[in-house]
Amino acid sequence: QQQVKQSPQSLIVQKGGISIINCAYENTAFDYFPWYQQFPGKGPALLIAIRPDVSEKKEGRFTISFNKSAKQFSLHIMDSQPGDSATYFCAASSRVTGGGNKLTFGTGTQLKVEL
Amino acid sequence: KAGVTQTPRYLIKTRGQQVTLSCSPISGHRSVSWYQQTPGQGLQFLFEYFSETQRNKGNFPGRFSGRQFSNSRSEMNVSTLELGDSALYLCASSPGLAGYNEQFFGPGTRLTVL
Repeated sequence: QQQVKQSPQSLIVQKGGISIINCAYENTAFDYFPWYQQFPGKGPALLIAIRPDVSEKKEGRFTISFNKSAKQFSLHIMDSQPGDSATYFCAASSRVTGGGNKLTFGTGTQLKVEL
Repeated sequence: KAGVTQTPRYLIKTRGQQVTLSCSPISGHRSVSWYQQTPGQGLQFLFEYFSETQRNKGNFPGRFSGRQFSNSRSEMNVSTLELGDSALYLCASSPGLAGYNEQFFGPGTRLTVL
């Protein structure tokens, strides 16, 4: 059962444009939503994360929009640059018994920013 | 601080063999999680270790096991390898404090099963 659905699978954006990646989740127990960026040959790196008590979080050119009622969240990359070309994963997590957390990932979006 | 290190980076095994992968977390981090990444299934959680105890577990068969040592280093073992076990195995470390901690991923071990 895929608990986090991510779209699109791939995305091509012109330099300076806005990249938008969407995710939807099913498990209402999820209460932590991070986005990861992965370059070829590297492990994922945390980009930005949000809790459901806020509807938007912005860090530099990256913004997460969160819609709790629709169970959806999205990543916006403003002024997209060629260096942003990477695979982006949304994820979700819930507090589990005994502490800790495990991440449920979306399927990933390959972003290519063209000059 | 040094990042998360994983060894080996690449591994080729044949069906039926077993394999052990190693992960050294960031100094001071007590939690280590393992993930399997494949083109078809994406990133899937295997298990998490904290203070030498398995704290969380994903939906993988018992052939997948792990352990954590007193210095927080962790190993993952896969027995009776199958072709479908070919994947990038990622280790992530975090402080393991109460609440949500950022997970820092290593570069992964690329396992190929022939």
